[in-house]
Amino acid sequence: QKEVEQDPGPLSVPEGAIVSLNCTYSNSAFQYFMWYRQYSRKGPELLMYTYSSGNKEDGRFTAQVDKSSKYISLFIRDSQPSDSATYLCAMSDWDSSYKLIFGSGTRLLVRP
Amino acid sequence: DSGVTQTPKHLITATGQRVTLRCSPRSGDLSVYWYQQSLDQGLQFLIQYYNGEERAKGNILERFSAQQFPDLHSELNLSSLELGDSALYFCASSVDAGNTGELFFGEGSRLTVL
Repeated sequence: QKEVEQDPGPLSVPEGAIVSLNCTYSNSAFQYFMWYRQYSRKGPELLMYTYSSGNKEDGRFTAQVDKSSKYISLFIRDSQPSDSATYLCAMSDWDSSYKLIFGSGTRLLVRP
Repeated sequence: DSGVTQTPKHLITATGQRVTLRCSPRSGDLSVYWYQQSLDQGLQFLIQYYNGEERAKGNILERFSAQQFPDLHSELNLSSLELGDSALYFCASSVDAGNTGELFFGEGSRLTVL
């Protein structure tokens, strides 16, 4: 079993839809949770960063962390075709915060 | 543009050969990380350097080595290449030793081993 599980998709939604992306994890020591976006043939770019539990909002993006359930989510409101990309969750623990454990990524396609 | 530069973008070589991948971090960043991305394994942490010194090792094979030079650029050396080493190799950088997980990734070097 992988430390971080993520549905690979692809997830296809119409423009304007609310998108929900999720990851589950098994290591209760994880404290730092991130979402990266990766466009085709590009490197991952950091979208959201959360420490421990709770919600964080940035524009159309909301990240949620539920440590009791070992579950994190990324919500995208009013999705746009430009949001079409692969979304990777990543996390790390306190002792080795530099070592990110990535999910396998979910491919998202937003149809115009 | 993340500010992290990787060369070459593409590389095709044969089994048994040796290649060197190069990375220039963002201006001011002291940490450099190397990650391998393959279809079956996803993004895997290989190694981190901070201000010229090795700080952490991940799933890096003994056939692979890296270093960070005084000007903070880094090189990843891959030797005795095998077919399974074909992957995207990403370099990332951060301003600190990695306490926040906020890494800036380059566009990667795609290695194909034939």
